[in-house]
Amino acid sequence: QVQLVQSGSELKKPGASVKVSCKASGYTFTSYAMNWVRQAPGQGLEWMGWINTNTGNPTYAQGFTGRFVFSLDTSVSTAYLQISSLKAEDTAVYYCARDAGYSGYDELDYWGQGTLVTVSS
Amino acid sequence: EIVLTQSPGTLSLSPGERATLSCRASQSVSSSYLAWYQQKPGQAPRLLIYGASSRATGIPDRFSGSGSGTDFTLTISRLEPEDFAVYYCQQSTFGQGTKVEIK
Repeated sequence: QVQLVQSGSELKKPGASVKVSCKASGYTFTSYAMNWVRQAPGQGLEWMGWINTNTGNPTYAQGFTGRFVFSLDTSVSTAYLQISSLKAEDTAVYYCARDAGYSGYDELDYWGQGTLVTVSS
Repeated sequence: EIVLTQSPGTLSLSPGERATLSCRASQSVSSSYLAWYQQKPGQAPRLLIYGASSRATGIPDRFSGSGSGTDFTLTISRLEPEDFAVYYCQQSTFGQGTKVEIK
């Protein structure tokens, strides 16, 4: 069965960096794009963008350029989200979600459990 | 960038009633890429509808989606207790969500 298992909660100070992992199993990792979604406390879902798991080419949504980096390690079927120069407003739950196709614009059919990143001094 | 606007923000209904949720796009979108999700507190979102009107695997037939162009609708024909949640439409970007709460 398809599973996306994310790394655990993180507590970081402003200005630090964090790397969230998303390990996929139960399907061929490189056949489906991977998306990232942010949800700030009490707020809605924000699409951050996606990464082509075949080529490693990332696409970032507006507002998620510069400090946000999507990457892969296909040898262990894992996608990563790295955020640098953390700010308090980056405090959120971050989800990885499998794209139902390879385009990065299909529906998100499987989701990780979410990783809470808290930024606080 | 396409902006999706959902209405109403909150829908207060009783179990057994019909829920109609709206999602309006700032420009015409392909129905092939319009999806609906359900999210309950403390849980990851769950895919309900894709391609504007196709139910995802395991989704009960009381959930249905319709629409094209800029106007899309999610309908829950008879609300069950487990349907009270927040619903999002998405085509890459997400709408702001509609909370369906118990009246």
